[in-house]
This record gives sequence, structure tokens and C-alpha cells, in this order.
Amino acid sequence: EPEVTQTPSHQVTQMGQEVILRCVPISNHLYFYWYRQILGQKVEFLVSFYNNEISEKSEIFDDQFSVERPDGSNFTLKIRSTKLEDSAMYFCASSDGRGTYEQYFGPGTRLTVT
Amino acid sequence: GENVEQHPSTLSVQEGDSAVIKCTYSDSASNYFPWYKQELGKGPQLIIDIRSNVGEKKDQRIAVTLNKTAKHFSLHITETQPEDSAVYFCAALRLLSGGYNKLIFGAGTRLAVHP
Repeated sequence: EPEVTQTPSHQVTQMGQEVILRCVPISNHLYFYWYRQILGQKVEFLVSFYNNEISEKSEIFDDQFSVERPDGSNFTLKIRSTKLEDSAMYFCASSDGRGTYEQYFGPGTRLTVT
Repeated sequence: GENVEQHPSTLSVQEGDSAVIKCTYSDSASNYFPWYKQELGKGPQLIIDIRSNVGEKKDQRIAVTLNKTAKHFSLHITETQPEDSAVYFCAALRLLSGGYNKLIFGAGTRLAVHP
């Protein structure tokens, strides 16, 4: 069964450093998303991406964040200058978008900013 | 603004009992309501969903009901088993212009099924 994959599973970085989180969505899906989950809290929407552009972003997704689909399979989230409060689980999700709403999530990347 | 409230935050049941988790949503434009199961260290896994033109949907031991008028939807798990133990999240999908959408999640319910 196709699934969303994410790398790395855990990333430790120092405050102020740049990180890139990688995702491989399900191959025939058209819509891609990033969500985050701070430990013990609810899953929060960050950004949605379609047709090589951002379709919506939340207030969390400020100028320090960017997304990219550098090739036909990968979808990346970059944080330019990490802050302590960026520590969270980051989930990538994808959906077919052709008359269906289901979003399928990857296993997540745990980002720890020290 | 858009919000999804979920209750209870924790639920403890004996194996074989039923479990019910309830959610309410604020955005009347929401039209799709999925439920996700999250096991420790894993991503949310879609287990069942319901669209706004349906009042109830069942898949083996799990069922979801939707009351659009009251903006309530619930997850029902019957004959619970220890492997049902996990955190369950409800969500409401807000359909945006252009076909885009985003999920608004509830805070989660930690379900513990005791043998």
C-alpha cells in the first residue's frame, strides 16, 4: 500500500541553524501539506501546496519557513533560523484531490532545537 | 475562528466495552470529518471519515455519526481490544476556494483499553 515517507525521523539542531525536513508524498497525489504537533498538543496546519505554489499558510508559517517541491517526488520544509519553540513533530501529508478529501500522513520528523 | 473541540481528553475502558469520543466544530462550511488514530511515535492514521451529506458510517467495529445541525460528530468503537489503545484525533476539513483544503484538529483523546 502506498504511503508517505519522511526523513530524517529525528533531527537535532542548534538555535539559529537551518534545517530541511524531507517528505516523499504518495506518488499520484496532487496536494501536499505540512502540519506540526508540539509535544502533548494538537496537530496544527502549517501550509498547503498545489501546482508548485503555496495555496494557504497559517500564521505559524512566517518568513522563516519555506516549502519546495524540487523534483517530481520530494516535498521539503525549510526553517531558515530555528528557534527553541520550533521544537515539535512535523508531519507531511498528501491527498489525491480528485474529488476526494482524504489526507494521508507520514510518520513525522521530530525536530529538537537546543 | 475555526475550532474543533474534542472530549474526553482521556478515556479508560475494559476490553470488550464500547468507547465514544465526541467532537464539535465551529465552521458551518466544514463538510468532511475524518478520524485519525495515532500510536506512540507514529503519524496520524486515517481510520474512518464521514462527509456532510451522510449521517452515519460504519466500518466493522468503528462507526462515526454526524449531526450537522448541532455541529457534532462522534466516534464509536465497539468490543474494544487492547490494540485500540492510542490517541484519537477528530478533524474537520475546511474547503477553501480553488479546491484547496486544510484540516482543523481536535486536541485528541487518549484511549486506554485494559485487558
